[in-house]
Amino acid sequence: DTEVTQTPKHLVMGMTNKKSLKCEQHMGHRAMYWYKQKAKKPPELMFVYSYEKLSINESVPSRFSPECPNSSLLNLHLHALQPEDSALYLCASSQAAEASGTTDTQYFGPGTRLTVL
Amino acid sequence: AQTVTQSQPEMSVQEAETVTLSCTYDTSESDYYLFWYKQPPSRQMILVIRQEAYKQQNATENRFSVNFQKAAKSFSLKISDSQLGDAAMYFCAYRTFHDMGGSNYKLTFGKGTLLTVNP
Repeated sequence: DTEVTQTPKHLVMGMTNKKSLKCEQHMGHRAMYWYKQKAKKPPELMFVYSYEKLSINESVPSRFSPECPNSSLLNLHLHALQPEDSALYLCASSQAAEASGTTDTQYFGPGTRLTVL
Repeated sequence: AQTVTQSQPEMSVQEAETVTLSCTYDTSESDYYLFWYKQPPSRQMILVIRQEAYKQQNATENRFSVNFQKAAKSFSLKISDSQLGDAAMYFCAYRTFHDMGGSNYKLTFGKGTLLTVNP
């Protein structure tokens, strides 16, 4: 099973709202990722968690706050977003480098389409 | 730093015919992975095929195959017997093999090729 699930599929929020995106995988992967993707562009890496610890933060604004409560779940908390943050947010998972020496293939979820008004 | 170039922003193919998408990359490393991902209008990034640089044999997955030319740093994707469901944005991606300060978590993507399949 190579399934990564994400909820919600669509989200519309105002600039003063607080919302969360959720991601779940049951492949036993210990690395999980958040990406942001604008239309007709490749995904841009935001955060990487390895063994539930933040491994990479690509200088993402603090209005995006990731959380990895356990090995299967990854959240992205959103607060005070700007209209330019409207995008497709993709979650992915893979083996962790510490386990195998290499991270192997990343498997992506279907994404959350976020619109900030 | 590694770069990935997809020189064809858009391509089209007739149903049942063959199409080749090009990808070139620049790296000084000897060990790495290369991937082709497909992203249909439904949005999900789907792995099409993967190639380990240390393997000389070209990867194949059903109607999808690659032509991996390591010396030329070229990694093209051939789709045979094209189907309407193959219509999508295709991204070529590179990842380093070894763990160097977390860099092997990072995928370097090309800008993508939008493939249209005509009935």
